[in-house]
Amino acid sequence: EAQVTQNPRYLITVTGKKLTVTCSQNMNHEYMSWYRQDPGLGLRQIYYSMNVEVTDKGDVPEGYKVSRKEKRNFPLILESPSPNQTSLYFCAIRQKSTDTQYFGPGTRLTVL
Amino acid sequence: AQSVTQLGSHVSVSEGALVLLRCNYSSSVPPYLFWYVQYPNQGLQLLLKYTTGATLVKGINGFEAEFKKSETSFHLTKPSAHMSDAAEYFCAVRGVNDYKLSFGAGTTVTVRA
Repeated sequence: EAQVTQNPRYLITVTGKKLTVTCSQNMNHEYMSWYRQDPGLGLRQIYYSMNVEVTDKGDVPEGYKVSRKEKRNFPLILESPSPNQTSLYFCAIRQKSTDTQYFGPGTRLTVL
Repeated sequence: AQSVTQLGSHVSVSEGALVLLRCNYSSSVPPYLFWYVQYPNQGLQLLLKYTTGATLVKGINGFEAEFKKSETSFHLTKPSAHMSDAAEYFCAVRGVNDYKLSFGAGTTVTVRA
């Protein structure tokens, strides 16, 4: 099964201090995406990538950036975090053979 | 565009009782439907999915769901709840050629001894 790792798992930071949450996968899957989970809202897609150097906005991209320089990594960048970005973040990959998305363990971010 | 409504943000059942979690979707195209489970402090795990074919889908841990196109529903059931089923459950939908998952708000299940 596909394996997705995220780092860090927990992060507390302050407003305006740039941070990066890393996401890596072990099987060269083309499609990767980032979601945020908030109580009562479920998960919402932030950005996705269809392949190397191909990224696009999801439903809630404001305040986030991503890059896809190599197939296995898809970092999420918050240039100037704000308290409303306090959330639980999940990276996901799409396994082509089963057309199913698998999620990483999550990163809990608190912005003070 | 697709969207999902999960009826009931919290469900409490007795151990051994039926678990029924409701999910209704709206979609302009035939959808793919999924149920994911999230145990405390863990990521999302796929329970089951419907893409095409048989409308009754069996998943892991004794769960199953039935796709009813006429009712635009994909309710999740388990005949006999176990304490280990306490978790949050998410229904999700996507289009055939659109990989973005649209999630419901989630239903938290508690199991009473």
